[in-house]
Amino acid sequence: KAGVTQTPRYLIKTRGQQVTLSCSPISGHRSVSWYQQTPGQGLQFLFEYFSETQRNKGNFPGRFSGRQFSNSRSEMNVSTLELGDSALYLCASSLAAGVDTGELFFGEGSRLTVL
Amino acid sequence: KQEVTQIPAALSVPEGENLVLNCSFTDSAIYNLQWFRQDPGKGLTSLLLIQSSQREQTSGRLNASLDKSSGRSTLYIAASQPGDSATYLCAVDPYNQGGKLIFGQGTELSVKP
Repeated sequence: KAGVTQTPRYLIKTRGQQVTLSCSPISGHRSVSWYQQTPGQGLQFLFEYFSETQRNKGNFPGRFSGRQFSNSRSEMNVSTLELGDSALYLCASSLAAGVDTGELFFGEGSRLTVL
Repeated sequence: KQEVTQIPAALSVPEGENLVLNCSFTDSAIYNLQWFRQDPGKGLTSLLLIQSSQREQTSGRLNASLDKSSGRSTLYIAASQPGDSATYLCAVDPYNQGGKLIFGQGTELSVKP
């Protein structure tokens, strides 16, 4: 069974540009969440989607947005990029069949560098 | 506010040693606790998930325990190997947080041959 797939794996952008990252969850998983990982802040929650609905959002500015499609694939977008947005962006999926998140399975991440 | 702490931040041991990694959390209102492994530049690999009603979980040389009342979890690695070198992270799934896990900063483990 295929794992969580994230594309692209690496990308370089300049300040002011925008970027879209894609995540395909494990087949049958309906929950997709996104995290930002940096050396200084560690793993920080961005948002979580379940059945195309955003259930929760972390403390990030409105430049960070996301969506989930009917096939559970998800995208996140960052507009007006800043140097501080350089990070590893990780996507995770879970069954989330109950009130808890369930076991989380992560992709390899998208490494974003903003110059 | 839930906070997760992992001590030590880094650990170096000779091959073959048994070792314990620690994770503490401030609020016992959690559904479960999960341990992950992360290799440099890679994503996270799920190791063990302990439900709040459980005391421990085992997988091969790994054993994780959970004491919700004291806000602690430990990850025990038996007979460590150089391939175990990685960063180990714990994360809690708090009540009413809709898919938001709270992570510790991780313990960077180095197992020397």
